[in-house]
Amino acid sequence: KNEVEQSPQNLTAQEGEFITINCSYSVGISALHWLQQHPGGGIVSLFMLSSGKKKHGRLIATINIQEKHSSLHITASHPRDSAVYICAAEEGGSQGNLIFGKGTKLSVKP
Amino acid sequence: EPEVTQTPSHQVTQMGQEVILRCVPISNHLYFYWYRQILGQKVEFLVSFYNNEISEKSEIFDDQFSVERPDGSNFTLKIRSTKLEDSAMYFCASEDYNYGYTFGSGTRLTVV
Repeated sequence: KNEVEQSPQNLTAQEGEFITINCSYSVGISALHWLQQHPGGGIVSLFMLSSGKKKHGRLIATINIQEKHSSLHITASHPRDSAVYICAAEEGGSQGNLIFGKGTKLSVKP
Repeated sequence: EPEVTQTPSHQVTQMGQEVILRCVPISNHLYFYWYRQILGQKVEFLVSFYNNEISEKSEIFDDQFSVERPDGSNFTLKIRSTKLEDSAMYFCASEDYNYGYTFGSGTRLTVV
């Protein structure tokens, strides 16, 4: 069974800092998802990637398939980035059966 | 931007009662999913639904649970005879193969 581990569990940053959140998984996957969960509980999909790198605004997600590792980077962090960031692994042959990490709680101070 | 809509946002029910959680997925999406998150815990997969039938389900999704798409737009999760441990946030999601998943804002179910 795939295990998804995230680090750190909690992260506090000053506004403007560059932030990295890491995710590792134990078996091969077809896709890796990065999600954002706001204090109200709603989940927003940020990225779905199976190789390489994707960028959207100040967010960058990378994945190394050989090392079974992915990172989410936030450049020029802002207090509105404060949320829980969750990575989720989607195994090959699975549809929707995502294995979720515990999440990284990010707090960006002004 | 298209949204996945879930209703109600919060439901309180008595233990043993049946509840129906409703979702309206994005209209041209073909895959629909339910997930749950018990307070303070990871999000967990419940079930996948495609072409009007369940395509995959987790161990959590036992006979107490059922899903259906009764009218081509709504996607419902029914929980029969609710238990205290069913208290959780339930998320619906739909998927476009090219653009990924869109999640609803969730229904917080409280069983008392």
